[in-house]
Amino acid sequence: EAGVAQSPRYKIIEKRQSVAFWCNPISGHATLYWYQQILGQGPKLLIQFQNNGVVDDSQLPKDRFSAERLKGVDSTLKIQPAKLEDSAVYLCASSLGDGIEMGELFFGEGSRLTVL
Amino acid sequence: KQEVTQIPAALSVPEGENLVLNCSFTDSAIYNLQWFRQDPGKGLTSLLLIQSSQREQTSGRLNASLDKSSGRSTLYIAASQPGDSATYLCAVYQGGSEKLVFGKGMKLTVNP
Repeated sequence: EAGVAQSPRYKIIEKRQSVAFWCNPISGHATLYWYQQILGQGPKLLIQFQNNGVVDDSQLPKDRFSAERLKGVDSTLKIQPAKLEDSAVYLCASSLGDGIEMGELFFGEGSRLTVL
Repeated sequence: KQEVTQIPAALSVPEGENLVLNCSFTDSAIYNLQWFRQDPGKGLTSLLLIQSSQREQTSGRLNASLDKSSGRSTLYIAASQPGDSATYLCAVYQGGSEKLVFGKGMKLTVNP
């Protein structure tokens, strides 16, 4: 069974530039998550989708971050314009369901962003 | 607001020791608790998932227990090996807010 795929693995940009990350979850997983992990910290949820609807985006900095999940499968996370403090690893994860039926969470390898 | 704490932040042990990793959480209204492993530069790998109605789960040399009323979970690693070196994170799925809240992780080094 293929895992969660993410690209690119690494990205270096200047501040105020834009960047986009892509995620393809495990086939059949209805719930998709984007997490931000700053060095030395646990992952922080940015946005959670159930199929193609947003369940939670309360911690997404909406003035610069946006995300979409087309047709309830692939997802893209965009940052525009980037700030120095956005340097982090962006992790995509998926699960069969959510809430009490969430089950295990499967993560991709992450996309490491460095903002100079 | 749910807070998940893992102490200590780092641990270094010789190979062969039996280990206990601790996780505490402030709000007992959880659906489940998961333990993850993260290798440097990699994503997280799920090790064990304990539903709120369960007391423990086992997988190979790993055993995780959950005491919801006291807000604690432990991950027991038997006969540690250098390959167990990684950062271990626990996360609780919070009822109500429907969020998975992570601890900061514990970096384990097992020395040969």
